[in-house]
Amino acid sequence: SQQGEEDPQALSIQEGENATMNCSYKTSINNLQWYRQNSGRGLVHLILIRSNEREKHSGRLRVTLDTSKKSSSLLITASRAADTASYFCATVPSGNTPLVFGKGTRLSVIA
Amino acid sequence: NAGVTQTPKFRVLKTGQSMTLLCAQDMNHEYMYWYRQDPGMGLRLIHYSVGEGTTAKGEVPDGYNVSRLKKQNFLLGLESAAPSQTSVYFCASSTQGIRNQPQHFGDGTRLSIL
Repeated sequence: SQQGEEDPQALSIQEGENATMNCSYKTSINNLQWYRQNSGRGLVHLILIRSNEREKHSGRLRVTLDTSKKSSSLLITASRAADTASYFCATVPSGNTPLVFGKGTRLSVIA
Repeated sequence: NAGVTQTPKFRVLKTGQSMTLLCAQDMNHEYMYWYRQDPGMGLRLIHYSVGEGTTAKGEVPDGYNVSRLKKQNFLLGLESAAPSQTSVYFCASSTQGIRNQPQHFGDGTRLSIL
C-alpha cells in the first residue's frame, strides 16, 4: 500500500518559475527521499532528509519535512525545461522495511 | 561504471509463457530490489534481497520468483505470465542499510503479456 501521496498529480509551469510539490505520509518514518524520473528512464535519487531534520538544500532543490504534519515539500527554484520529469517521494517507515514510493507528480516546464 | 543494467529492455510474451529478467550491478551493493511500475500506481516492491543467497517478499510478490546466487545479479522470474503482469519492471540496488541509503535504478524492462 502507498505510504506517501504526492500533490499535485500534475504541474505545468513556465521556465524560470518555481515548482513546489508536496508529499504526505501516514506513519512515522526514519527518513524521506525524493527521486526524479525522466520519461523512459529509471529513477534518480535527488535528496534524503532524516526525521530529525527540518530542511535540506541541494543546488536548486529545497526539501522541507514537517513530522508533526507528516508532510514534506520539494521546491525547485528557477525551473528549466530539463526539469520536466516525474517526481516521487519515498518514505522509510519506522521498523525494518524498505522504501515505499508514492505515485508521483508529473512536472512540465514549458520553455 | 555501468551502474545497474537490466536485460532485456523490451519483451512481448504470450499468456502462460515463462521468462527471466536479469539485473546486474557493478557497485558492490548488498541490497537489490525488483519493482513494477503501472500507470497511476507508482512503484510497488515485488521482492528484494539483503545479500547474496537471500530473498524476501515485498508488497506484490505473487506470480514472481527471484534468485540472488551472485552478489552482483538479481533475477526475476515469471513462471506462467498473465496479462496482469504487463508492466515496466525496475531493478534497484543500495549499499548496506535499506533504511538510509538511496537506491540506484536501472532503466527498466518493458514487458507486455498478450
